[in-house]
Amino acid sequence: EVQLVESGGSVVRPGGSLRLSCTASGFTFDDYGLTWVRQPPGGGLEWISGTNWDGRRTGYADSVRGRFTVYRDSARNALFLQMNSLRAEDTAVYYCARVYQRFFNYWGQGTLVTVSS
Amino acid sequence: HSALTQPRSVSGSPGQSVTISCTVTSSEVESRNSVSWYQHHPGKAPKLLIFDINKRPSGVSDRFSGSMSGNTASLTISGLQADDEAEYYCCSYGGRYTWVFGGGAMLTVL
Repeated sequence: EVQLVESGGSVVRPGGSLRLSCTASGFTFDDYGLTWVRQPPGGGLEWISGTNWDGRRTGYADSVRGRFTVYRDSARNALFLQMNSLRAEDTAVYYCARVYQRFFNYWGQGTLVTVSS
Repeated sequence: HSALTQPRSVSGSPGQSVTISCTVTSSEVESRNSVSWYQHHPGKAPKLLIFDINKRPSGVSDRFSGSMSGNTASLTISGLQADDEAEYYCCSYGGRYTWVFGGGAMLTVL
């Protein structure tokens, strides 16, 4: 069974940093791209970042480019999102999802990040 | 401004059909053929319903169908059920390993 489990969400002050993790199981990790999608309170889904199967291709939404870094560790079957210079508008539930071709066929349950002083 | 425009809300009665539109309004979308649809119940993981405009993953009810006409993709839900009440999002590949979601449409089952 494919499973994606996010962790690392917490309360952080504006300007602070946080690293999210997504641990994958139930499939061959190195065969798939992975992506991060977030949902702010009362808002819609926003794609923010992704990496291809070997980590050599990455993409970022304009809203996070230059502040967030996505990377993966095949030894740990994990995807990471390093978030720096956090802002109040980064407050959201962050989901990781598995990429297949041009869509996302499995999703995690999400982890909550709150940016507040 | 989203590259994919959806109505904010739609509604229908049990047993009826509803259609949710998704209009591609920007060149940020590399391929209109890559439109996918997701169902999202609050507090749960989003679920893939349709990919590549009109393909349905195994395990998804055939009450869900997708289509495209010109720049507008559509998700049709037939035989509405109470559990269909959720937020529905279209999504498309934007090129250079980026994606974009529509703003989401809230479906209310009356």
